[in-house]
Amino acid sequence: NAGVTQTPKFRVLKTGQSMTLLCAQDMNHEYMYWYRQDPGMGLRLIHYSVGEGTTAKGEVPDGYNVSRLKKQNFLLGLESAAPSQTSVYFCASSYVRGGTDTQYFGPGTRLTVL
Amino acid sequence: AQSVTQLGSHVSVSEGALVLLRCNYSSSVPPYLFWYVQYPNQGLQLLLKYTSAATLVKGINGFEAEFKKSETSFHLTKPSAHMSDAAEYFCAVNFGNEKLTFGTGTRLTIIP
Repeated sequence: NAGVTQTPKFRVLKTGQSMTLLCAQDMNHEYMYWYRQDPGMGLRLIHYSVGEGTTAKGEVPDGYNVSRLKKQNFLLGLESAAPSQTSVYFCASSYVRGGTDTQYFGPGTRLTVL
Repeated sequence: AQSVTQLGSHVSVSEGALVLLRCNYSSSVPPYLFWYVQYPNQGLQLLLKYTSAATLVKGINGFEAEFKKSETSFHLTKPSAHMSDAAEYFCAVNFGNEKLTFGTGTRLTIIP
C-alpha cells in the first residue's frame, strides 16, 4: 500500500514551458486535492476533485489546470510556467468529505521556474 | 472572513520542556479542527483532529489539543519535548465546506 505518490519529485522549468504533475493514490479515496506550499504562507488549495470526472477551483487556481479521468489519479498542469509558480506542490486525498476527514499527503514535488 | 491564525512562526523549547503551539480561528459555527505535522522534506501527516466529540483531543507522539469554543482556539501541547518533535506544525480548519484552510505554520525547534 503506497498511499499517495507524486511524480516527479523535482523539476526545473524555464518560463513559458509546460509540464504535468501526477498524483496517484491506492486507497480508493473519492476526494483529491492539489496544494502549493510557499514560505510563510502555509498550504494553499489550487484545485480539488470530489470524484472521478469532477474538478473544482480552490483558493489559487490561476495558471493551473487539472484532470481526474481515473479515480486513482489527479493531474496538475501548468500550461505556461511563470517564476511565481516556483513552489512545493503537494497532493492529498481523503475517503470522504475532505473538510471533515483526514487528508493523506504525498511527499511533494519541488518545482523551480527560471 | 474565515481565517486561521497561528501565533509564532518559530518556537524554540528545551528538550523536556512544555510545548505549546497556538491556533485561533474565526468562525461563528463550530468547525472541524486539525493539527498536521511536517518533518523535513516530507509531506504532512495528521497529528490529531477535533470533530465535535470530546473537547480534549489526544493525538500521536504524546500531543494533545483542547478545543475552546469561547476563545475560538485549538492550541497544541505536549508535556515534554523530545528532539524528534522538531518539525513544522500546521493548524487546519474546515469551515463547513469541502476544503481545509491551513494556518501559516509554526516551526518548532528543540534545544538540547
